[in-house]
Amino acid sequence: DAKTTQPTSMDCAEGRAANLPCNHSTISGNEYVYWYRQIHSQGPQYIIHGLKNNETNEMASLIITEDRKSSTLILPHATLRDTAVYYCIVMIYNQGGKLIFGQGTELSVKP
Amino acid sequence: DTGVSQNPRHKITKRGQNVTFRCDPISEHNRLYWYRQTLGQGPEFLTYFQNEAQLEKSRLLSDRFSAERPKGSFSTLEIQRTEQGDSAMYLCASSRGHMDEQYFGPGTRLTVT
Repeated sequence: DAKTTQPTSMDCAEGRAANLPCNHSTISGNEYVYWYRQIHSQGPQYIIHGLKNNETNEMASLIITEDRKSSTLILPHATLRDTAVYYCIVMIYNQGGKLIFGQGTELSVKP
Repeated sequence: DTGVSQNPRHKITKRGQNVTFRCDPISEHNRLYWYRQTLGQGPEFLTYFQNEAQLEKSRLLSDRFSAERPKGSFSTLEIQRTEQGDSAMYLCASSRGHMDEQYFGPGTRLTVT
């Protein structure tokens, strides 16, 4: 699986958009980009995933660059409850579905 | 849909004892995964099941660890002769298929003294 690189931590003001970057420069054509988050003392929670097109759901938007070497998770209006560790994961299609978590980005949303 | 449940939520045991954890996935989810998470680290994959078949085990899963999913529903993870290094949060997740989102349980926190 391709390795991902994320900033260790980020701050965001409540009500503003949170843009979380992820670098996956060695991603291959059959690898998807998944985002999960983990709020303190809880199990991880799925946010969104994509292959090459931008994706949006009720939680967030995922922007994947044309060369697929990086992506950005956007939380459009961050709230205090979005404070969590955000994990960017690349996963090969048809490889069992196991998630390989890195260190993630600790996002702190501040009032 | 009641979510993934795990029992117990906390377990304190003495070194050398055996422990068993249970995971009840979302009904009709074919895939069930076990992960382990130590403080300050992301979760690490341990093993997964497709229905009752255990399809992959991580090298992290030593001979002291065994997992079962006997009827393709709930799963158990047993650790024999626990060591202090086994202290961690053990997370279970389930999904419909291998590319579908995984739903995680709250975890079982194991402390080995």
